[in-house]
Amino acid sequence: DIQMTQSPSTLSASIGDRVTITCRASQSISSWLAWYQQKPGKAPKLLIYKASTLESGVPSRFSGSGSGTEFTLTISSLQPDDFATYHCQQYSRYSPTFGQGTKVEIK
Amino acid sequence: EVQLVESGGGLVQPGRSLRLSCAASGFTFSSFWMHWVRQVPGKGLVWVSRINSDGSSTSYADSVKGRFTISRDNANNTVYLQMNSLRAEDTAVYFCVRDDGYCSGGSCYGDYYFDYWGQGTLVTVSS
Repeated sequence: DIQMTQSPSTLSASIGDRVTITCRASQSISSWLAWYQQKPGKAPKLLIYKASTLESGVPSRFSGSGSGTEFTLTISSLQPDDFATYHCQQYSRYSPTFGQGTKVEIK
Repeated sequence: EVQLVESGGGLVQPGRSLRLSCAASGFTFSSFWMHWVRQVPGKGLVWVSRINSDGSSTSYADSVKGRFTISRDNANNTVYLQMNSLRAEDTAVYFCVRDDGYCSGGSCYGDYYFDYWGQGTLVTVSS
């Protein structure tokens, strides 16, 4: 299986901050990467697929980049609704795998 | 509005069985691949299984292969996960998820990423 590693595991930030989360794959996955946001007690929500394509309805302050083995999720100006856990997921093989998650906390 | 509603979770003893159901609405169910993803509370997400749109093809994570069976009833817009020989390590919240796939030329395909999720159902395996 392809291993996905996110960093950092926890991130403390303030409203208005620019936030970047990194996801690394154990082998090349081209651009077959998705990002999800999950709030406590809720199901994940799709934010980005194919590394950089914003899902319909997702605010434009979210963006994704990268290819191969290194990817980033950026929130350009952190809003109160953005405090959550973010998960990356590769889908280059028929056995999708997720990163361990990055929790974005209020500083 | 797309809705996925899981049911069937609960407390079960090791070695016993449980069947999860997921009722879908708000979309043409028979055109989409469906998956189950699980999450130990406070931990990461783990893909469990998937089924193609007509139910003719399935696949499983190694950790559940031979014990879990995914199936679907397109007439009733429902996907199932039959879980046998349950172990303590199967304890998790189980999410029913829709694959953001597409149909072309009369066949439907999966993309293996997930655009809609149910609210989850908790399965606890303990004596």
